[in-house]
Amino acid sequence: QLQLQESGPGLVKPSETLSLTCSVSGDSISSNRYYWAWIRQAPGKGLEWIGSIYYNGNTYWSPSLKSRVSISVDTSTNQFSLKLTSVTAADTAVYYCAREAIWTGFHDVDHWGLGTLVTVSS
Amino acid sequence: QSVLTQPPSASGTPGQRVTISCSGSNSNIGSSTVNWYQQVPGTAPKVLIYSNNQRPSGVPDRFSGSKSGTSASLAITGLQSEDEADYYCAVWDDNLNGHYVFGTGTQVTVL
Repeated sequence: QLQLQESGPGLVKPSETLSLTCSVSGDSISSNRYYWAWIRQAPGKGLEWIGSIYYNGNTYWSPSLKSRVSISVDTSTNQFSLKLTSVTAADTAVYYCAREAIWTGFHDVDHWGLGTLVTVSS
Repeated sequence: QSVLTQPPSASGTPGQRVTISCSGSNSNIGSSTVNWYQQVPGTAPKVLIYSNNQRPSGVPDRFSGSKSGTSASLAITGLQSEDEADYYCAVWDDNLNGHYVFGTGTQVTVL
């Protein structure tokens, strides 16, 4: 049974870098059927897709966040990570990691982690 | 600002039918399959409908999805109190090298 678990600091100072890791169990991150994604949700707001990565490092980015985001994958530990630079209070959100199926011919987010709240504050 | 537009709210009494629309464009709904997610406040979203009209195992058949052109819709027939939640459509958008987009979300209230 697939499980996705986010981990990382719950508090980040303005202008610093937010770093999160997603640990995947119950599936191989090296599968050729999936990308691995980050999604966030600011308090009281809707869902925002951040980006996703394939096991070989190929990535897609949200156009609005592309300049501040990097996503990496570690197939040896079955984890992938998110870095968001120069954060402000607007980056305060629950951050979800998720699996993105591509075997359908499209990208479909089909499984979510529980999410972790990251607050940007001094 | 999302490129997929949903009504902010919808409501109905138990047993009624509720529909939620999702309006997009040729670069997203018009060229990809639509997914729908249900999110109970304080919890992670879960997949309700994938590939326009497919239900994952465990999702009641009172939930159904459809797509036509650049619009999609989610229907809940026989509304139940546990259906009170936020609903989001989502799809891959081919613009700007490709990215996943979510709808603006619809809050469903069971009266």
